[in-house]
Amino acid sequence: AQKVTQAQTEISVVEKEDVTLDCVYETRDTTYYLFWYKQPPSGELVFLIRRNSFDEQNEISGRYSWNFQKSTSSFNFTITASQVVDSAVYFCALRNRDDKIIFGKGTRLHILP
Amino acid sequence: GAGVSQSPSNKVTEKGKDVELRCDPISGHTALYWYRQSLGQGLEFLIYFQGNSAPDKSGLPSDRFSAERTGGSVSTLTIQRTQQEDSAVYLCASSSAERWGANTGELFFGEGSRLTVL
Repeated sequence: AQKVTQAQTEISVVEKEDVTLDCVYETRDTTYYLFWYKQPPSGELVFLIRRNSFDEQNEISGRYSWNFQKSTSSFNFTITASQVVDSAVYFCALRNRDDKIIFGKGTRLHILP
Repeated sequence: GAGVSQSPSNKVTEKGKDVELRCDPISGHTALYWYRQSLGQGLEFLIYFQGNSAPDKSGLPSDRFSAERTGGSVSTLTIQRTQQEDSAVYLCASSSAERWGANTGELFFGEGSRLTVL
């Protein structure tokens, strides 16, 4: 069975603070993909990043960074120097060999001015 | 069109009626997913189509739910005898994966169809 857990339902931080969104996954497959998606208030989900199970290198893209640790089955997302425009619901997702993509319940992030 | 198109954007229906929700994926995308988003429940997988292969229906919550995809393009999600618990936003997504096992997961989502069952 596969499962994605985002334990943080809602987070509020003040603008310019750093914030980390947690994601823990379960899978029996050795080959899988992990993703993060952003759903802004306008509603349409937007793809942010993909990581396959064989690539544990962390990735940085501007103010965004992702930490993938197979040992703890985690794929955490950090926003550095947060901005009000980062306010959204963020979803972590997992894809196994069968192509089914399972999403976590999401973390609603509020960036306060 | 340039993106995934869903219709209707809003649907209000009475309990017991049937509804049809339509998804028009990005042209050329062979992979198509349906998800349901309820308040506080994240995205719930419903069904996955890949080309002309038999779909993965493992997420459909009951036999009142069905979906088809005609000609490998437009998909219709049908909910029969709607119940109040069916109220949610139904999201469609497509991707360019060409076969089973090749979907690297960059999904393009539509804006969703918000269903309200009174």
